[in-house]
Amino acid sequence: AQSVTQLDSHVSVSEGTPVLLRCNYSSSYSPSLFWYVQHPNKGLQLLLKYTSAATLVKGINGFEAEFKKSETSFHLTKPSAHMSDAAEYFCVVSDLLSGGYNKLIFGAGTRLAVHP
Amino acid sequence: DAGVTQSPTHLIKTRGQQVTLRCSPISGHKSVSWYQQVLGQGPQFIFQYYEKEERGRGNFPDRFSARQFPNYSSELNVNALLLGDSALYLCASTPGQLHTGELFFGEGSRLTVL
Repeated sequence: AQSVTQLDSHVSVSEGTPVLLRCNYSSSYSPSLFWYVQHPNKGLQLLLKYTSAATLVKGINGFEAEFKKSETSFHLTKPSAHMSDAAEYFCVVSDLLSGGYNKLIFGAGTRLAVHP
Repeated sequence: DAGVTQSPTHLIKTRGQQVTLRCSPISGHKSVSWYQQVLGQGPQFIFQYYEKEERGRGNFPDRFSARQFPNYSSELNVNALLLGDSALYLCASTPGQLHTGELFFGEGSRLTVL
């Protein structure tokens, strides 16, 4: 079975400092991995996705993630945090099931706080 | 273009009651998925519908049901509500049955069961 584990439930950074949100995955085959962001009272939005092409994936708003098979990790980073980055971030794996459909499996989420 | 719209945005029910949540997908999208997000947890897959047929179901009891209409909108029904059904219910749409992982989510319907 596929799964993801987000290693931090809360991360707090100062504006202008780097962001690191950690995610490990478990998969019996080459996974499709994603990061989604959820701002308060907003719907989930895709930040970036990895689907076995380049291991370093660039997303929106300056975020990027690196797929490391040897470490089964897919950590999300940003060089310089902005106040608007404060949100809940979810690491997600896509699970292809019989019947020809796929579903997303979400981690528990990491709440990012950005302080002035 | 309008995104995924859900209604109602908030509602309060008591145990044992029934609730219906509604979702309109992005124009041109034929697949709708439903997810439940309990406070402090990540969303969990409930259903996927494509072309008015159920294509996938998560690990939820039979109290949960859904349907999709000819215009591709969808309803999620939950019967005999329990306190544990309190959650944010998210609807997402995609153009087809299989997707690349990019789902387009609505802002959700927040259900409180007292």
